[in-house]
Amino acid sequence: ELKVEQNPLFLSMQEGKNYTIYCNYSTTSDRLYWYRQDPGKSLESLFVLLSNGAVKQEGRLMASLDTKARLSTLHITAAVHDLSATYFCAVDRGRGSTLGRLYFGRGTQLTVWP
Amino acid sequence: GAVVSQHPSWVICKSGTSVKIECRSLDFQATTMFWYRQFPKQSLMLMATSNEGSKATYEQGVEKDKFLINHASLTLSTLTVTSAHPEDSSFYICSADDSGSLSYEQYFGPGTRLTVT
Repeated sequence: ELKVEQNPLFLSMQEGKNYTIYCNYSTTSDRLYWYRQDPGKSLESLFVLLSNGAVKQEGRLMASLDTKARLSTLHITAAVHDLSATYFCAVDRGRGSTLGRLYFGRGTQLTVWP
Repeated sequence: GAVVSQHPSWVICKSGTSVKIECRSLDFQATTMFWYRQFPKQSLMLMATSNEGSKATYEQGVEKDKFLINHASLTLSTLTVTSAHPEDSSFYICSADDSGSLSYEQYFGPGTRLTVT
């Protein structure tokens, strides 16, 4: 059974600080995703990581993937209040023709305070 | 990017009635769509894979007779919650894979909040 573990589950950080969210998964996967969710809203896609060593950056967020360690990280640089949200990683459970079945971590609720 | 819509955005129904939720891909064709459920302050749980022109594939533990899925066209999948009960109250979200774009993105709809009284 595929397990996706995220930590921390809750993160309270001061504006301007840096922090990393970790996502470990238990079996091989072809794709790993990071999403943001604001309260009462659906998911906003942040990154899709497809290969070992992949690194993607968008603004203050940077995601990386180590398929050998089955680990992805989401690094936050110089946090600002607008980044406050819940962040999910998700691993594709499918292979080949069954791709797209995502298994989500429990989410990291991020609060950025002044 | 590609857009997925859902209708309705929220619905309140009485226990024992059925509710239909629509998921549409607006600017792309989706041979496969996915249905998720999210309880308050919890993660998303994959319920089923909706396949255009064929039967849906349900995840373990999901009652296929209770959650009826129909994927009648390349842009529309529907989820019908039959004989709804209060424990079915949840946030239902669909997603679609724009397989034609090779972006590997999964596009999520805005969600439907179901409350069963």
